[in-house]
Amino acid sequence: AQSVTQLDSQVPVFEEAPVELRCNYSSSVSVYLFWYVQYPNQGLQLLLKYLSGSTLVKGINGFEAEFNKSQTSFHLRKPSVHISDTAEYFCAVRYSSASKIIFGSGTRLSIRP
Amino acid sequence: EPEVTQTPSHQVTQMGQEVILRCVPISNHLYFYWYRQILGQKVEFLVSFYNNEISEKSEIFDDQFSVERPDGSNFTLKIRSTKLEDSAMYFCASSGGQHEQFFGPGTRLTVL
Repeated sequence: AQSVTQLDSQVPVFEEAPVELRCNYSSSVSVYLFWYVQYPNQGLQLLLKYLSGSTLVKGINGFEAEFNKSQTSFHLRKPSVHISDTAEYFCAVRYSSASKIIFGSGTRLSIRP
Repeated sequence: EPEVTQTPSHQVTQMGQEVILRCVPISNHLYFYWYRQILGQKVEFLVSFYNNEISEKSEIFDDQFSVERPDGSNFTLKIRSTKLEDSAMYFCASSGGQHEQFFGPGTRLTVL
């Protein structure tokens, strides 16, 4: 079955510390991968995407992610977080055989001063 | 920068009533979608729409749901007879190709 797994429901980190949010997807020949951010009481904003090409993709707000086909992972990283990064982060995948995007269950990132 | 808009931002309705959620996709996009997010849960796909017909739908999208593109700009989701479990945030999205989807701010539907 097509699925996305975010292993951590909550990740607390201190301000200016690095962070990694983990994401794995069920294997397929061709996938498109996304990370969306949802700030409190707001909609979904695209952070970054992997469609093809370089496996390291850079997004907005200093975030980056690396596509690892052998491990079917697409982990999100930021070298130094800020209070304003407090939000819920959703990993998502679109399989080439379908139009829908499948979302993970989300990881709530909380930043401590 | 063009964006997807949704109205209303919050809709409160009584169980059994019909509701219509409205979306204005990005103007040159051809693919349209509805998703929903029940409070505290993941975002779930409902339906995709292309060339004036449904191209894919989930098992959630039963006979109580319908979508329509009544004119050149709006895309609507209708729930015929709302149930308590329909309470959720409903997101509209649009896409120019078949990769990146741009999401609207959502409509929070509360069924009493």
